[in-house]
This record gives sequence, structure tokens and C-alpha cells, in this order.
Amino acid sequence: DAMVIQNPRYQVTQFGKPVTLSCSQTLNHNVMYWYQQKSSQAPKLLFHYYDKDFNNEADTPDNFQSRRPNTSFCFLDIRSPGLGDTAMYLCASGQGVRETQYFGPGTRLLVL
Amino acid sequence: DQQVKQNSPSLSVQEGRISILNCDYTNSMFDYFLWYKKYPAEGPTFLISISSIKDKNEDGRFTVFLNKSAKHLSLHIVPSQPGDSAVYFCAASARGATNKLIFGTGTLLAVQP
Repeated sequence: DAMVIQNPRYQVTQFGKPVTLSCSQTLNHNVMYWYQQKSSQAPKLLFHYYDKDFNNEADTPDNFQSRRPNTSFCFLDIRSPGLGDTAMYLCASGQGVRETQYFGPGTRLLVL
Repeated sequence: DQQVKQNSPSLSVQEGRISILNCDYTNSMFDYFLWYKKYPAEGPTFLISISSIKDKNEDGRFTVFLNKSAKHLSLHIVPSQPGDSAVYFCAASARGATNKLIFGTGTLLAVQP
């Protein structure tokens, strides 16, 4: 089945130790998104790629970076995680503007 | 500043009855609204959407109503089924920022058999 896959599902890292979260989609969508969802809060868009065009949200910390080497894959790099970065990270893909976003199951990140 | 608000963290309904989930928004630039459903350990899945040119959209047991003057939308599920038990997120996007969804905090719906 076509879908959005995220790896790993759970990640524990130490304060300041870089971590990379992975997302892949088999839907051949041209847009990929990364959201951060903290406990009991709304998912919050960090950035998205429209094809190779990177779009960063104004309030996304510099600590968070992303790479999209090809249509299928997108990575979230957290260069120096802080305790406040503990959250669920959701990846989504969509075909274009105003199209439905399809979400992966998320990666739960714990920073100790 | 939360632009999309779901003020009820949880809702419990009997099987077969109507579930009504509410959502309020503050940004008058929002012109497209969506509901997503999320089961534990899964990502949110799209349920239904409505454009601001409409005031109602129906898909089977699910109907979304939009009241633009009140900046309010609601999701009606009739009849409710135990399988509908999940977290429901309201989301909105604005003209000119069409790839960006602003989500509410979600409402946990429990449908009791």
C-alpha cells in the first residue's frame, strides 16, 4: 500500500547529541512536511518542501534543519537537541496546494 | 496565539447518538477547513473538508458545518460508532499560505457501546 513511513518510531537521545529522523513516501507526492507536536498541543508546522524548494516557518528554531535528497525521502536533522525538543515529530506528504496531507505514524523523540 | 481552538479536550457519547465536535478560529484569512482523525500510534488521517464558499459539506455519517460570521465550525457524526473513538483535529489554511495547515489541539471522542 502507498503510504508515509517514518523511522525510527521512537528515539531517545542525549542533550546536545545530533539526531536525524527519516521519512519516506511511496505516493510520489511533490510536497513533504515536518510537524512538531508537543504533549497536549496542536501539531505545528516546522517546514515543508515543494519539490526541491525549501520553505521554513519563521518561528522554526535554527537548530532544526531538513534535507530532501529525492522525491521519496525527507530528513529532519536536529543539530543540538534541547530538553524542550522532546515531542512527536510527524511527517506528511501532499500532491500540491490545498490537497489532502497524508501523515506518517510519527517519531516520538525523547531528549534526556 | 492559538488561531484554531478546540475548547473541549474530550467528549463521551453513546453508540448510535450524535457526536458534535466544535472548533473556533480567529484568523479571518482562513478559507479552507479540514478535520483529521487520529488513532493511537497512527498518524492523523484526513476525514472531511469545507471551503469558505460553502456552509455545509457531507460525507456519509460525517457532516461539517461552517459559520463564517461566528468563525466557528463543527463536525457532526451520526450515528456514532465505537470505531469512531479517536482524537479529532480541526485544521485551517489561509489564502496565500495554502500549503500551511494550522491545527487545533484536538478533541478525544469516546463512543461508548
